[in-house]
Amino acid sequence: NAGVTQTPKFRVLKTGQSMTLLCAQDMNHEYMYWYRQDPGMGLRLIHYSVGEGTTAKGEVPDGYNVSRLKKQNFLLGLESAAPSQTSVYFCASSYFSIAPLHFGNGTRLTVT
Amino acid sequence: AQTVTQSQPEMSVQEAETVTLSCTYDTSENNYYLFWYKQPPSRQMILVIRQEAYKQQNATENRFSVNFQKAAKSFSLKISDSQLGDTAMYFCAFMKYASGSRLTFGEGTQLTVNP
Repeated sequence: NAGVTQTPKFRVLKTGQSMTLLCAQDMNHEYMYWYRQDPGMGLRLIHYSVGEGTTAKGEVPDGYNVSRLKKQNFLLGLESAAPSQTSVYFCASSYFSIAPLHFGNGTRLTVT
Repeated sequence: AQTVTQSQPEMSVQEAETVTLSCTYDTSENNYYLFWYKQPPSRQMILVIRQEAYKQQNATENRFSVNFQKAAKSFSLKISDSQLGDTAMYFCAFMKYASGSRLTFGEGTQLTVNP
């Protein structure tokens, strides 16, 4: 049982490049989330999904897009990376509305 | 909107001693949940303890317990008999009821347990 798996674990981008972060969960969870973690700011919600085919904006959605075409996958895209997007990105999932979140191990992204 | 504040960026404790991490939050909601997550150097986010706001009894998980003061909007974490493996960043988090499990996190407290 892998839980929540994030791909890749590390990535370095140049300003203006694009990339997609993949999150996969094998727990049949309905809800999925993307957070970013920055020093001194805790984790902030970027986008989330309450089911296959649905997405919604979180606290800091600008510069990111997401898709949930399959229940088990939640993709986070950066169309034109900026240095301000240098961060550690966490994916999480939960079974239902008030259930605790299961987190992936994070992706460290550096934009130069 | 909800806010969560952890006013102690760093703390340290000697092994086997007790330490308390502070957390305050601001909300107009009456039904909500509060959490403490632990993030060791491995970066994995680990749920430590959870408290439902409607429960007056403080939650306890082995060496971890909370002091939940709803009127004061305070939610502190007490770690008893501290162990070296407790060294980690600790995050306090708030979840509004029926919000789709969306968490609002505090800034974090880096706890170091010294031998």
